[in-house]
Amino acid sequence: EAQVTQNPRYLITVTGKKLTVTCSQNMNHEYMSWYRQDPGLGLRQIYYSMNVEVTDKGDVPEGYKVSRKEKRNFPLILESPSPNQTSLYFCASTPTGVYTGELFFGEGSRLTVL
Amino acid sequence: GNSVTQMEGPVTLSEEAFLTINCTYTATGYPSLFWYVQYPGEGLQLLLKATKADDKGSNKGFEATYRKETTSFHLEKGSVQVSDSAVYFCALSDNNAGNMLTFGGGTRLMVKP
Repeated sequence: EAQVTQNPRYLITVTGKKLTVTCSQNMNHEYMSWYRQDPGLGLRQIYYSMNVEVTDKGDVPEGYKVSRKEKRNFPLILESPSPNQTSLYFCASTPTGVYTGELFFGEGSRLTVL
Repeated sequence: GNSVTQMEGPVTLSEEAFLTINCTYTATGYPSLFWYVQYPGEGLQLLLKATKADDKGSNKGFEATYRKETTSFHLEKGSVQVSDSAVYFCALSDNNAGNMLTFGGGTRLMVKP
């Protein structure tokens, strides 16, 4: 089954404790992206990657890091989480060969930072 | 820069009622327009899209027409069902490869039996 898989789905952590949210897709997509969803603000892009070893900042990159060592994986790293990073996070992917505008989303990871 | 504005929710309707969710946009050039739907506990999925002016996107009984003169892409459905309860996001793409989609704030729809 074609899918984007995120883990963990739910996490409660404390300020300053490093964490990683994993994202993996099995569709051989070149493009991957991370978004955060906050009430009334829609989805805002954090980072994106056009292909392996190519990453770039989105609209709200502060406090986050990413890496793209393999085509299928695109982890989101919070080196020192803070309460303002409490949010619902989505990973998404799409092929870049023929642009359709359709992003394929994971089910989301709800993060709470105390 | 690009932006998308949606009506704030929640929108609460009775089953079989007519639905309209307003969406307007600001963009340079000629963007493509999309509606995504997010069912409870799930990620977003594409509902419909339109790539040029006067195009009508449709899917699952939902429709939206790309109106360049009013920079709008309102979502409509003639008769909603309880299963349509979800959050709906309007989005645009100006084919900027980096940030593929700019999203509106989302509108929660609640349909009561």
